[in-house]
Amino acid sequence: KAGVTQTPRYLIKTRGQQVTLSCSPISGHRSVSWYQQTPGQGLQFLFEYFSETQRNKGNFPGRFSGRQFSNSRSEMNVSTLELGDSALYLCASSLRPMGISVTGELFFGEGSRLTVL
Amino acid sequence: KNEVEQSPQNLTAQEGEFITINCSYSVGISALHWLQQHPGGGIVSLFMLSSGKKKHGRLIATINIQEKHSSLHITASHPRDSAVYICAVRSQSGGGADGLTFGKGTHLIIQP
Repeated sequence: KAGVTQTPRYLIKTRGQQVTLSCSPISGHRSVSWYQQTPGQGLQFLFEYFSETQRNKGNFPGRFSGRQFSNSRSEMNVSTLELGDSALYLCASSLRPMGISVTGELFFGEGSRLTVL
Repeated sequence: KNEVEQSPQNLTAQEGEFITINCSYSVGISALHWLQQHPGGGIVSLFMLSSGKKKHGRLIATINIQEKHSSLHITASHPRDSAVYICAVRSQSGGGADGLTFGKGTHLIIQP
């Protein structure tokens, strides 16, 4: 059974550009959540999607957005990149929305490492 | 907003020792996750708990809902257990901006 796939794994952008990251969940999983990890702030929750609907959103500016498609694949977009957006972006999938019974167990991808110059 | 505190921040132990990592949170939760992250970034979910105790191999996780506290234990520790262990909670209120709140992690090194 294939795991969670994130693309691209590494990318370099310059300030002001935008970036789109992709996450393909485990087959059959309908919940995808996104996280930002930096050395200073650690792991922070970005948003969660279930059945194409955003269920929760973390405390990030509107430059951070996401969506989920009917096949459960998800994308996140960061517009007008800033140096502080350099981070490892992780997504996780689960059968049902996270935190709900055993089917909320999370399976993480390897992450997309974004460097903003 | 839930505050999640982990202790210790760093732990170095000898192979074979019994390891305990603690996690405390401030607001009632619907679930608590223990995660393991190896150098390079990949995160593995070890446990998801809402009550009681779970065991998987040499790993044991417990949670005390009344005291808002969870512990992760590693028995017969091995150098391959060296990693960062992260506690994450989903607040009971569930929706809105809560999502998951993470502790800062415990950096564990097991020396041969």
